[in-house]
Amino acid sequence: RKEVEQDPGPFNVPEGATVAFNCTYSNSASQSFFWYRQDCRKEPKLLMSVYSSGNEDGRFTAQLNRASQYISLLIRDSKLSDSATYLCVVKSSGSARQLTFGSGTQLTVLP
Amino acid sequence: DTEVTQTPKHLVMGMTNKKSLKCEQHMGHRAMYWYKQKAKKPPELMFVYSYEKLSINESVPSRFSPECPNSSLLNLHLHALQPEDSALYLCASSQDGTGPQLYNSPLHFGNGTRLTVT
Repeated sequence: RKEVEQDPGPFNVPEGATVAFNCTYSNSASQSFFWYRQDCRKEPKLLMSVYSSGNEDGRFTAQLNRASQYISLLIRDSKLSDSATYLCVVKSSGSARQLTFGSGTQLTVLP
Repeated sequence: DTEVTQTPKHLVMGMTNKKSLKCEQHMGHRAMYWYKQKAKKPPELMFVYSYEKLSINESVPSRFSPECPNSSLLNLHLHALQPEDSALYLCASSQDGTGPQLYNSPLHFGNGTRLTVT
């Protein structure tokens, strides 16, 4: 079993739709969680950190479920510009070696 | 705009060439990283520098040689590469290199160097 697993998609959704991605992790000692967005042939960019109580940034909501060991990202009112690959990143300790990327979920928002 | 700057953006080199990738950040971050990313795959960690010292080498072949001249700069020297080394090379930085501050310190990536080895 991979340390961090994501549904690779692709997710094809119409503009205005709500879409949710999940990411599961296997290491119960994981400490920090992030969602990154990566456009085609570009670098990953931090979308948001994921806090224990859940957090929201505009149309984006991130949740953490420690008991079930998954994090989620909800995108409301999808825009064409949301089309990208979404990577979840999990940190298990203070060591950079323990920073694990999911394989990414591809989202295409259709007009 | 990214706060981590990488040059060049694109590089084509032959297998006998020597070239260098450069990375610069002015955010005061004390940890800097090199990642390699192949198409449709997540980034793979290569090296980590913490407070200008090499702290992690993920068993990277010696044809890749990192260098950290100061806290703002990170280089990756390339020599005798193979075609399979063609990839996007990403530099990243984070706020602190050690300790609990690292837990919640996200990575900030540069825009990458797209390397093609012919």
